[in-house]
Amino acid sequence: SYVLTQPPSVSVAPGQTARITCGGNNIGSKSVHWYQQKPGQAPVLVVYDDSDRPSGIPERFSGSNSGNTATLTISRVEAGDEADYYCQVWDSSSDYYVFGTGTKVTVL
Amino acid sequence: QVQLVESGGGLVKPGGSLRLSCAASGFTFSDYYMSWIRQAPGKGLEWVSYISSSGSTIYYADSVKGRFTISRDNAKNSLYLQMNSLRAEDTAVYYCARRYGSGSYFNYWGQGTLVTVSS
Repeated sequence: SYVLTQPPSVSVAPGQTARITCGGNNIGSKSVHWYQQKPGQAPVLVVYDDSDRPSGIPERFSGSNSGNTATLTISRVEAGDEADYYCQVWDSSSDYYVFGTGTKVTVL
Repeated sequence: QVQLVESGGGLVKPGGSLRLSCAASGFTFSDYYMSWIRQAPGKGLEWVSYISSSGSTIYYADSVKGRFTISRDNAKNSLYLQMNSLRAEDTAVYYCARRYGSGSYFNYWGQGTLVTVSS
């Protein structure tokens, strides 16, 4: 089955840029989506189709996808961005929705 | 506004059964694919199952295939997950989620219901 690998944690100072990677075999050929999850809350979609943002999501959140790695970038990080982030794809070969292993973003 | 409200979670013994429900409102339920996604305590997200808008297409994760059954009642705007032969590893918060149109992502999630499998 298709596997998505993320770093367990990323630490960033306020105002700096956080980059969260999502690795998968030829992931550049798939549409990648990103979710933010704060403790005790349901996940919230922050980026879809590699780089599009739902309404209400700040422009500070952006995404890219190429080769074997997709990346979620959070610019000008704020304390409120501290959360777990998950990437997700649809694996058409197995009819599976696949989530990444998750990355905890800590704002120093 | 779109609302998804799960119910039916609780404590059940290994080998037991439980039926989860998800009440949908604020949109035309019969137009959308729906999924169940779970999250074990302190762990990541795991997709469990999805059902097409009409109910004619259904898929399951290997971890639940043969034990769980997803269904929907479009007249009642409700999604269900019948869980049989429950195991300790099924302990998780179960979310129902709405797929965006023809996309491959979930733009609305419920708040989840906790299922605990323990003797």
